[in-house]
Amino acid sequence: KQEVTQIPAALSVPEGENLVLNCSFTDSAIYNLQWFRQDPGKGLTSLLLIQSSQREQTSGRLNASLDKSSGRSTLYIAASQPGDSATYLCACNDYKLSFGAGTTVTVRA
Amino acid sequence: NAGVTQTPKFQVLKTGQSMTLQCAQDMNHNSMYWYRQDPGMGLRLIYYSASEGTTDKGEVPNGYNVSRLNKREFSLRLESAAPSQTSVYFCASSERKLNYGYTFGSGTRLTVV
Repeated sequence: KQEVTQIPAALSVPEGENLVLNCSFTDSAIYNLQWFRQDPGKGLTSLLLIQSSQREQTSGRLNASLDKSSGRSTLYIAASQPGDSATYLCACNDYKLSFGAGTTVTVRA
Repeated sequence: NAGVTQTPKFQVLKTGQSMTLQCAQDMNHNSMYWYRQDPGMGLRLIYYSASEGTTDKGEVPNGYNVSRLNKREFSLRLESAAPSQTSVYFCASSERKLNYGYTFGSGTRLTVV
């Protein structure tokens, strides 16, 4: 059974600092990995999708890396803003999507 | 561009009552999923439908039933609600191809008292 872990569970940074969010998974036989953002009381918004054959994926200030051999993915958010405050979830697709519990980010103005 | 639409958004049930959560997608996706989200536990798969006409159990199926009504619609039914089913329920859809990502609905917040 795939186990997905996200560390830390919560993170508070001043505006402008770069964010580093970690995700680890136990079974490297995944098809892809997806990062989501969730605002309080809202649904999930897809941020980045990394295929198993890719090492990284970028969208604007967001960059996600994938190292299947070590079972890790990292989401980098450059120059954080208060609007980046949310919970970030990673999910591994090994035919079914398995989620981590998320990292709750607070960016202080 | 609606994506995945869930109804209702909020619901309060008494223990033992039944209800159906509705989900519809307009992206012509083959696969649809029901998840529940509980504090500190992440999202857990309840049931999924890989394609129209098929349904399978996920990680936490007990107390639930599903119906894939057609390619667009996938409903989740609670026959006799219990307080342990208090949760936020999310529906998702995806193309059957494994390199596709998932699209989620905005969720149904269910409280069983």
